[in-house]
Amino acid sequence: QVPLQESGPRLVKPSETLSLTCTVSGGSISNFYWSWIRQPAGKGLEWIGRIFPSGSTNYNPSLKSRVTMSIDTSKNKFSLKLTSVTAADTALYYCARASYCGPSRCYNLSWLGPWGQGTLVTVSS
Amino acid sequence: QSALTQPASVSGSPGQSITISCTGTSSDVGGYNSVSWYQQHPGKVPKLIIYDVTDRPSGVSDRFSGSKSGNTASLTISGLQAEDESDYYCASYTGTSTLVFGGGTKLTVL
Repeated sequence: QVPLQESGPRLVKPSETLSLTCTVSGGSISNFYWSWIRQPAGKGLEWIGRIFPSGSTNYNPSLKSRVTMSIDTSKNKFSLKLTSVTAADTALYYCARASYCGPSRCYNLSWLGPWGQGTLVTVSS
Repeated sequence: QSALTQPASVSGSPGQSITISCTGTSSDVGGYNSVSWYQQHPGKVPKLIIYDVTDRPSGVSDRFSGSKSGNTASLTISGLQAEDESDYYCASYTGTSTLVFGGGTKLTVL
């Protein structure tokens, strides 16, 4: 298993920036994509985006203008920043390991697992 | 990208089989053999139960199976058990290198 743990402020003011970090323990961050997913209370899952150790990213088009992901391979951590937040961004935010990439291609393109326990972020003044 | 379409709810009796559909487009479900399914019990973390349309991660019961026809993927649970009562989400890789989820299906075991 590769435990993942989300961390960051639980309360963010409207119009400010949400910042979360996911720490990966027990395994290397290399060769995998790493994703962020969120879930508003009582609602479904929404994929936010993914990042590869090279820094390559893909974002949900609906959030792309406000999302930035980064990665620190030396610390086995990756991060999420979401700008100009509103109440609609209040949700449980999860990080998860995504697809594996070998020298020439990636595999299991829709794989998400294991997941972190999730952290509830509330946007409120 | 639009969310994949799943039925809001399905139900079945213990021992029966049920199927949950997940409909997308040729740009996601129909274009790639990269559909996964997740089980989420209330208050719990989602758990991967099917990946690459038909494959099960180690430790997942063989009562769970996946399939795909055209733009629609399906999850079948056979020998329904009380512990299967949960929310189920499908997800698909897309042509723009993103992932899109379905809206989720609540399974009730009668």
